[in-house]
Amino acid sequence: NAGVTQTPKFQVLKTGQSMTLQCAQDMNHEYMSWYRQDPGMGLRLIHYSVGAGITDQGEVPNGYNVSRSTTEDFPLRLLSAAPSQTSVYFCASSYASELAGVYNEQFFGPGTRLTVL
Amino acid sequence: AQKVTQAQTEISVVEKEDVTLDCVYETRDTTYYLFWYKQPPSGELVFLIRRNSFDEQNEISGRYSWNFQKSTSSFNFTITASQVVDSAVYFCALSEAYGSSNTGKLIFGQGTTLQVKP
Repeated sequence: NAGVTQTPKFQVLKTGQSMTLQCAQDMNHEYMSWYRQDPGMGLRLIHYSVGAGITDQGEVPNGYNVSRSTTEDFPLRLLSAAPSQTSVYFCASSYASELAGVYNEQFFGPGTRLTVL
Repeated sequence: AQKVTQAQTEISVVEKEDVTLDCVYETRDTTYYLFWYKQPPSGELVFLIRRNSFDEQNEISGRYSWNFQKSTSSFNFTITASQVVDSAVYFCALSEAYGSSNTGKLIFGQGTTLQVKP
């Protein structure tokens, strides 16, 4: 298993450009999430999905779109990049539990370091 | 609102010292999960432990141990006889759950940077 993969690893954009960060997992996980990591702020949830065709907003969704057409893929789209979106982006996935209230650990991808000039 | 606080921004110790990383959380849920993740200088996030709110037993894994106390809403992490390879950023996280369902969301603390000097 490759686990959670993210591409690209590094990206530089100009203000106003759009791009898609790719995330894929081969563990058949139901849950997938996108986080951004900024210095001194830990990781903050951008968007998440509890299954194919279902997405919802996290703590900091503005400026980002997601879709989940398959179980494996969960791309994150930046619509019009801004310097405030300079960050490290992590994709994560986890199993849903058959038991209500059981929460499994999330597996994280290696991250994408994005710089917006 | 749910919140995780790691008050220690940076800790520096000398190799072989013991070190405790603090984590305090706030939640109204009666069922929740707590996690610790390690982020070494290479940048990936490594899962260390998961603990549910009904299990207050302390856990030990080699040089790592965790102390969960619901009475003080704390889930502290101790490294015994620290080593240079323990140098990393450590994150405490709380699951965000609604009733009996879980939604795949984690709330992270700000992280504690641990530097272990030789």
